[in-house]
Amino acid sequence: KNQVEQSPQSLIILEGKNCTLQCNYTVSPFSNLRWYKQDTGRGPVSLTIMTFSENTKSNGRYTATLDADTKQSSLHITASQLSDSASYICVVSAPYSGGGADGLTFGKGTHLIIQP
Amino acid sequence: NAGVTQTPKFQVLKTGQSMTLQCAQDMNHEYMSWYRQDPGMGLRLIHYSVGAGITDQGEVPNGYNVSRSTTEDFPLRLLSAAPSQTSVYFCASILVAGGHREQFFGPGTRLTVL
Repeated sequence: KNQVEQSPQSLIILEGKNCTLQCNYTVSPFSNLRWYKQDTGRGPVSLTIMTFSENTKSNGRYTATLDADTKQSSLHITASQLSDSASYICVVSAPYSGGGADGLTFGKGTHLIIQP
Repeated sequence: NAGVTQTPKFQVLKTGQSMTLQCAQDMNHEYMSWYRQDPGMGLRLIHYSVGAGITDQGEVPNGYNVSRSTTEDFPLRLLSAAPSQTSVYFCASILVAGGHREQFFGPGTRLTVL
């Protein structure tokens, strides 16, 4: 069964510090992996997308890595800000089949709190 | 360009009542989906549609109906609300390009069933 496991479940860090969130998956075949940020009371918003051949991708202070061999991804946040407080969801996509289920497997998310 | 809109934002129902959660998108995407999000469970797929007139069940379809008469709209109907349907509901519109899918989520509807 396709699964996406995220760790830690929750994390509290001080403003200005760095942190790394983890995502392990068993989805096969694999198309891409996305990290979403979900602010409280809002829908998830895509931060990064990584395909099989990509190892690293950055979006401002967010840097995602992917190791397709070990089926692991990480999201590193540099110099955290209060606005980074949110849930971060890892979503792994199977190749587009055109007619089946949506082919997406969601992690349960990491709840990040940035304290001043 | 509003993206994905959902109404209402909040709703309280009594057990047995019915209602429709509205979802609309203005990006001309063929794919749309409904998810529910519960604490500790992550997002779970309820129903999805690959185009007007075509819908299919997801992981947790029981107690919900959908229809897709236009590309823009994808309403979700609760036939007889139960407390187990207390959740936050997200509609998503999906861009499919180059074999990849990117989801654009609406702001969500927070539903409480008493």
